[in-house]
Amino acid sequence: ETGVTQTPRHLVMGMTNKKSLKCEQHLGHNAMYWYKQSAKKPLELMFVYNFKEQTENNSVPSRFSPECPNSSHLFLHLHTLQPEDSALYLCASSQESRDGSPLHFGNGTRLTVT
Amino acid sequence: QKEVEQNSGPLSVPEGAIASLNCTYSDRGSQSFFWYRQYSGKSPELIMFIYSNGDKEDGRFTAQLNKASQYVSLLIRDSQPSDSATYLCAVQDTGNQFYFGTGTSLTVIP
Repeated sequence: ETGVTQTPRHLVMGMTNKKSLKCEQHLGHNAMYWYKQSAKKPLELMFVYNFKEQTENNSVPSRFSPECPNSSHLFLHLHTLQPEDSALYLCASSQESRDGSPLHFGNGTRLTVT
Repeated sequence: QKEVEQNSGPLSVPEGAIASLNCTYSDRGSQSFFWYRQYSGKSPELIMFIYSNGDKEDGRFTAQLNKASQYVSLLIRDSQPSDSATYLCAVQDTGNQFYFGTGTSLTVIP
């Protein structure tokens, strides 16, 4: 496999459920990101992991919990979500140490909270 | 708050015409600039990047950067219906943080 792979592609969950999103990158990058994309809004950065260490947490509610076991894998654990959390969740990776290194996105998980 | 502004559109151009997409940014210290294409229901796909003032051409795409005016644009020559998508402008600052615009929706009419 190449690039950035996300699973599942679609997820419907109730407000009391617990689920996890998975991301894997095969690009040899050292930084991984979670973004949230809602309609009519810019991409919102949620979490950044650089060399497996979390370096950014943009005031994301605690019902979202990231995990980065190594530089190739990233998870987003979800629990007691709200309907307004319904969005497209995008994982991305980049080579953090190189100026101008672009983000490479996975296909995203379309999340619907009922 | 660092901002990236794009006209949300929709922008409609006839097939074969030049599509011009514009983006302004607030942070003068921004270093790198990217254009992503996003088809409906899909993830953003990198199509161009530019770091220096001036023009950069890649096939039918030309990115233009003017740091003094804090302005970056994307020109698509010989527009095709397959170019119909939302185009996201992204700006990277000196701390390697990315900031995105809301995107411009482009429709190429056959």
